[in-house]
Amino acid sequence: QQPVQSPQAVILREGEDAVINCSSSKALYSVHWYRQKHGEAPVFLMILLKGGEQKGHDKISASFNEKKQQSSLYLTASQLSYSGTYFCGTVTGGGNKLTFGTGTQLKVEL
Amino acid sequence: GAGVSQSPSNKVTEKGKDVELRCDPISGHTALYWYRQSLGQGLEFLIYFQGNSAPDKSGLPSDRFSAERTGGSVSTLTIQRTQQEDSAVYLCASSLVAGLPPTGELFFGEGSRLTVL
Repeated sequence: QQPVQSPQAVILREGEDAVINCSSSKALYSVHWYRQKHGEAPVFLMILLKGGEQKGHDKISASFNEKKQQSSLYLTASQLSYSGTYFCGTVTGGGNKLTFGTGTQLKVEL
Repeated sequence: GAGVSQSPSNKVTEKGKDVELRCDPISGHTALYWYRQSLGQGLEFLIYFQGNSAPDKSGLPSDRFSAERTGGSVSTLTIQRTQQEDSAVYLCASSLVAGLPPTGELFFGEGSRLTVL
């Protein structure tokens, strides 16, 4: 079951914050976040496992709400280098597949 | 090499022809995954290799798709009798941490863009 990401696209001014949401219709075992710049390979950001609520990576952090079956990625004080497409991947309980959403396109402008 | 290497980077073929896509994973990574990325879609799991174990082929969309991994390293994804709906970017990823589902970082290659005319 493919997770649903929102928003589909967002434009920020440098220094602004953004939140990207990832929702599942099934109970989650883990959530994986990746960023892909145009024409490049997806790059790993972080994994949140069941039982872990939040992780941080520089000014990018994420939360994992098991009850709501969702994860949110927080980008604070955005930089131009944050531009790209953000994908969440989910593994649902009892499953063995990492299924990715359709992505959120983020563009940071001056 | 330092990262996952894929070839060709671009492939244009005619409907009905066979194509082979190659993936050279990071040295020492025993886990290898193939994903497909269609326009406007997420990353679709295709197949998983772990060491010498039988691959998990459950994501292959049809029997026209096959993949092998020789010597636990290089992998080849073959698409026979290509169709226009096969047009996509085919991404390969490797991981130091074995297992399905993945529990560690996946290192992706830049992909092979396939266009079927």
